[in-house]
Amino acid sequence: AQKITQTQPGMFVQEKEAVTLDCTYDTSDPSYGLFWYKQPSSGEMIFLIYQGSYDQQNATEGRYSLNFQKARKSANLVISASQLGDSAMYFCAMREGLKTSGSRLTFGEGTQLTVNP
Amino acid sequence: KAGVTQTPRYLIKTRGQQVTLSCSPISGHRSVSWYQQTPGQGLQFLFEYFSETQRNKGNFPGRFSGRQFSNSRSEMNVSTLELGDSALYLCASSLASGILNTEAFFGQGTRLTVV
Repeated sequence: AQKITQTQPGMFVQEKEAVTLDCTYDTSDPSYGLFWYKQPSSGEMIFLIYQGSYDQQNATEGRYSLNFQKARKSANLVISASQLGDSAMYFCAMREGLKTSGSRLTFGEGTQLTVNP
Repeated sequence: KAGVTQTPRYLIKTRGQQVTLSCSPISGHRSVSWYQQTPGQGLQFLFEYFSETQRNKGNFPGRFSGRQFSNSRSEMNVSTLELGDSALYLCASSLASGILNTEAFFGQGTRLTVV
């Protein structure tokens, strides 16, 4: 079974508008962390935001916020005030705390975001 | 502070050959993980090295191997290359291993093409 599911292969948004990228996950591990990464065409993965399974509040980092709904096992990324430079591939990833020792990340399929001027 | 450096950036190899990719992590980072990215399979975890020991291994055949040196630099090797090994190979560097919120810093990757 897929551990991380991103159901939107592509998304389009107008510059300066907000956009939500969906991510659902599946784990029986009570301790886990969720990450969002951005991958521009250059290939490098850029860390955006992190949410821990025990965190009481939704994570925020500048224009990025994470809509974490634990019961629904979803961790959607919200980008506010989109900029042209936000056009890239976005990946949701999970690290399970108890099942996997180490730094292993499991990634979703990604969402290609295009910001239109 | 220098980021994660992967060399070479691009590589073309013939089926049956072997290849070695290199990754220099951020100074002070002791964990290095490798991922394979393909259009069909997405991003898949290959293995992680921490303090010169393999800590985790993904579901890849034995043709894929790696190692880590005392300065934390890591290499991965693919023997008997197949066309399906064509991919972007990404290296991720982390300060520690086994800590849930440890950020992974990625290099720009090595794009391997097998012909």
